[in-house]
Amino acid sequence: EAGVAQSPRYKIIEKRQSVAFWCNPISGHATLYWYQQILGQGPKLLIQFQNNGVVDDSQLPKDRFSAERLKGVDSTLKIQPAKLEDSAVYLCASSLRHLTGELFFGEGSRLTVL
Amino acid sequence: AQTVTQSQPEMSVQEAETVTLSCTYDTSESDYYLFWYKQPPSRQMILVIRQEAYKQQNATENRFSVNFQKAAKSFSLKISDSQLGDAAMYFCAYRILYNQGGKLIFGQGTELSVKP
Repeated sequence: EAGVAQSPRYKIIEKRQSVAFWCNPISGHATLYWYQQILGQGPKLLIQFQNNGVVDDSQLPKDRFSAERLKGVDSTLKIQPAKLEDSAVYLCASSLRHLTGELFFGEGSRLTVL
Repeated sequence: AQTVTQSQPEMSVQEAETVTLSCTYDTSESDYYLFWYKQPPSRQMILVIRQEAYKQQNATENRFSVNFQKAAKSFSLKISDSQLGDAAMYFCAYRILYNQGGKLIFGQGTELSVKP
């Protein structure tokens, strides 16, 4: 079974530039999550989708971050414009069941903002 | 608000020895899950062990076991017969059930090193 795929693995940009990350969850997983993991900290949930609807985006900085999950499969997380404090690993995860299913994580996309 | 606290930023263990990682959490909910995830350097996070709050029996998975103290809101991970491959960042996590979309909340992590 293929795991959660993310790209790119690494990205370096200058502040005020934009960046987009892509995630393809495990086939059949209805729930998709984007987490931000700053160095030395635990992951923080940015947004959660159930199929193509947003369940929780309370911690998403909506003035600069956006995410979509068209057709309820893969998802894109965008940052525009990027700030220095956005340097982090962006983790995508998916689960089969909405409330109790195990989360499966991708390898993450590491963003460095200079 | 629900929080997860891991008070040990770093731990070290000798190969073949036993180590215990601590975790406490704060919640007013009665139904929830608790997890330990392992994150090797530059690799994806994987589930180590899961505990349902309604179960009194502590979960075990081979060399990994937990000490779940619901009243004390404590959830520690014991790794027996430590191996070099156990070296990683370990995150304790709490999952809200039936509210807030089943959000998974992580602690700050404990970096475990294993000495040969």
